[in-house]
Amino acid sequence: QKEVEQNSGPLSVPEGAIASLNCTYSDRGSQSFFWYRQYSGKSPELIMFIYSNGDKEDGRFTAQLNKASQYVSLLIRDSQPSDSATYLCAVKDDYKLSFGAGTTVTVRA
Amino acid sequence: KAGVTQTPRYLIKTRGQQVTLSCSPISGHRSVSWYQQTPGQGLQFLFEYFSETQRNKGNFPGRFSGRQFSNSRSEMNVSTLELGDSALYLCASSSQGPGYEQYFGPGTRLTVT
Repeated sequence: QKEVEQNSGPLSVPEGAIASLNCTYSDRGSQSFFWYRQYSGKSPELIMFIYSNGDKEDGRFTAQLNKASQYVSLLIRDSQPSDSATYLCAVKDDYKLSFGAGTTVTVRA
Repeated sequence: KAGVTQTPRYLIKTRGQQVTLSCSPISGHRSVSWYQQTPGQGLQFLFEYFSETQRNKGNFPGRFSGRQFSNSRSEMNVSTLELGDSALYLCASSSQGPGYEQYFGPGTRLTVT
């Protein structure tokens, strides 16, 4: 059974719209949650991290965490073509990060 | 501050050979984690080192090994290479470990022929 599940993609959104990415995790004791963006052929880039229940905003990105539901999401507002990438959800599990399979987002002009 | 560096960036090896990959973490970071990324399996954890001690190891065969030096630089070694070892190998550094922000290097693309 996978530890971290992400909504299957690909996700196509028009420029200027909101892209919504979801992630669920199985370890109820997890305390640290991360979102990475990975462009094709590049390494993952950390874009958001969240440790407490609620929302955390950084520019056009908002991470939402609900530990009771074991659910973390990422919203990308005013999506731009440069946001087209694969987004990876990661959850701390012991001394490692467990990653979801990723959701590929395409922002169409 | 300089980011995480990995060398070499690309590598082509033959089955049965061995390979050593190197990672230099962000200055001041003491934790280095290694991951393997393939299209089929995604990002898989290999091992994590903190202050020269391996704290955790993923579900990989013993052919995969690593170490960390006193300056926090880390190496990983793969012996008796198999075709299935072809992958992008990523290292990530963190100040304290995976519970904190972890930053990836550019990766080493290993091709085994």
